[in-house]
Order: sequence, then C-alpha cells, then structure tokens
Amino acid sequence: GAVVSQHPSRVICKSGTSVKIECRSLDFQATTMFWYRQFPKQSLMLMATSNEGSKATYEQGVEKDKFLINHASLTLSTLTVTSAHPEDSSFYICSARSGTGGADTQYFGPGTRLTVL
Amino acid sequence: QQQVKQSPQSLIVQKGGISIINCAYENTAFDYFPWYQQFPGKGPALLIAIRPDVSEKKEGRFTISFNKSAKQFSLHIMDSQPGDSATYFCAASREYSSASKIIFGSGTRLSIRP
Repeated sequence: GAVVSQHPSRVICKSGTSVKIECRSLDFQATTMFWYRQFPKQSLMLMATSNEGSKATYEQGVEKDKFLINHASLTLSTLTVTSAHPEDSSFYICSARSGTGGADTQYFGPGTRLTVL
Repeated sequence: QQQVKQSPQSLIVQKGGISIINCAYENTAFDYFPWYQQFPGKGPALLIAIRPDVSEKKEGRFTISFNKSAKQFSLHIMDSQPGDSATYFCAASREYSSASKIIFGSGTRLSIRP
C-alpha cells in the first residue's frame, strides 16, 4: 500500500524557536497534501491543504504566518511552526492524496509529536 | 457545525464480544464513508470504507452497516480482541473530488478486556 512518512517523529524545542516537519509520499506522487493537528483525546483538525507548486489553503482560525506550509514537489511537503510556544505543543499529522484522486486515495503519515518548552 | 457525530466517546468490551460504534452525518452530498483506526502515538490508518450504494460491507471481523435514509452508519467489530484496543474515527467525504476534505467524527476509544 501507499506509504507516507514524516520526519521527525518527535521534536522538543524551546519557546520562540522554529520547527520544520517534513512529509513525504514514498511510493506515489501526491498532488495534494493535508496537514492536521490533534490534541490529546481529540479528533483530527484540518489545518491546511496544499497543492504542489501553489500556496496552501488554510482553514479558518489557523494562522498562516505561524504555520508555514511548502509543497515544493509531488513527494514532499513541509510544515514550519514559527516562533513556537507551549500552546503549539501537539501531534501533527500529514496526509497525502494520490494523483488527482479523492478521499479514497488519501493516506496518513505516522505523525510528529511536538513539545515546546 | 459538527457534520459527523460519533458515539460513544468510549467503549469497553469483553474479549470475544461485539464492539459497535455509531455515526451520523448531515451532508447528503457525502458519498464516501471510511473508518480509521488509530493507535497511541501513531497516525490513523484506513480500516474499512463504504459507499452509499450498498447497505453493508464486511471485511474479516469488521462490518460497516449503512442506512442512507437515516444518514447513519456504524462499525461492528466481531469477536473483539485486545489488539483491537485503539481509537476509531468515522469520517465522511465526497469521494470523486480532488478538492474534497475528509470530515472526521470525534472518535471512540475502544478497550477490549481480556
């Protein structure tokens, strides 16, 4: 099956620093990638949708200047949390959609645990 | 507005029993209803999915029952095992649209007692 990887799996940083999380589709080309945020014991919250080569579309309430998303190739998207603060501590999950398919071709990464001290 | 409502929030079932999780949706444009399984510290994985042209889909011990008129669907786990202990999310989407988003339910934490 299709594989989506994330790096790093865990990251701890100091308040005020920036953190970059990578999402890669290993065996397929992903025209569309999604970034989710999940707080403990809660559901996945969609943060933004990115299409290769274009600007990301952010969900209402998500600060685009704080969560920078770059989708430079068909296999790589990055999420940069700028000037991170403790309230940004969360589980970040990316998802990639194969080609131009719909939800049935969407695969999720293993997640990245961000802890901001 | 919560478009996909899921219940119960948590569920404890004895080993060998049947686990049942229920979901209801509002948007009649949805045409793809997946269930995801998530273990602690991991990303969600697709478990089973159904489309509204059928009322039931079975894969091994996992069955989705779908009631289009009631806008409800449920996941049944037969012969539940301790390894099934995880959080389950129902979801809904428009399948044949590259711009469609997956709308997740709130999740059910399932614990299977040995």
